Amino acid sequence: DTEVTQTPKHLVMGMTNKKSLKCEQHMGHRAMYWYKQKAKKPPELMFVYSYEKLSINESVPSRFSPECPNSSLLNLHLHALQPEDSALYLCASSQDLQGARTEAFFGQGTRLTVV
Amino acid sequence: GIQVEQSPPDLILQEGANSTLRCNFSDSVNNLQWFHQNPWGQLINLFYIPSGTKQNGRLSATTVATERYSLLYISSSQTTDSGVYFCAVNNDMRFGAGTRLTVKP
Repeated sequence: DTEVTQTPKHLVMGMTNKKSLKCEQHMGHRAMYWYKQKAKKPPELMFVYSYEKLSINESVPSRFSPECPNSSLLNLHLHALQPEDSALYLCASSQDLQGARTEAFFGQGTRLTVV
Repeated sequence: GIQVEQSPPDLILQEGANSTLRCNFSDSVNNLQWFHQNPWGQLINLFYIPSGTKQNGRLSATTVATERYSLLYISSSQTTDSGVYFCAVNNDMRFGAGTRLTVKP
């Protein structure tokens, strides 16, 4: 099983709303990632968690707040977003960040529209 | 940080043709993956290939780590091969800009 599940698949939110994106995997992976992808662009790394600790934060604005409550679950809390934050948000996981166990698997993404 | 360049940016093929996609990277890597992104946005794993050669059906990939490039070969292309092909490197998965492939019937 190489499944990473993201919910919801689509989300429309206003600029004053607070919402959360959820990502779940049951492969025993200890590294989890959030990416943002704008149309016709490659995925851009936002955050990486390793063993439930934030390992990489690519200078993402504070209106995006990640959370890793356990080794299977990764959340992205959204608050006071702007229309330019509309994008496909992708979650990924890998066994580890080190050595040969770094093959990453992606979820189907959440397509976010900020109005 | 490491730079990842993919070529060509766009490729249009007739069904049945073969193609080669290239991924160059500016520094040594310990991880390289090829993905196919379908029209719905799903990134599908094609190869995990930090070095060497692998084959899977009509697709194969070669990474020459010492020369800092990887190649993805698609043979006998089909319309379902259309989409964007990305390479991504290292443990934090830095992506190239992708190659947009269109296969015409």
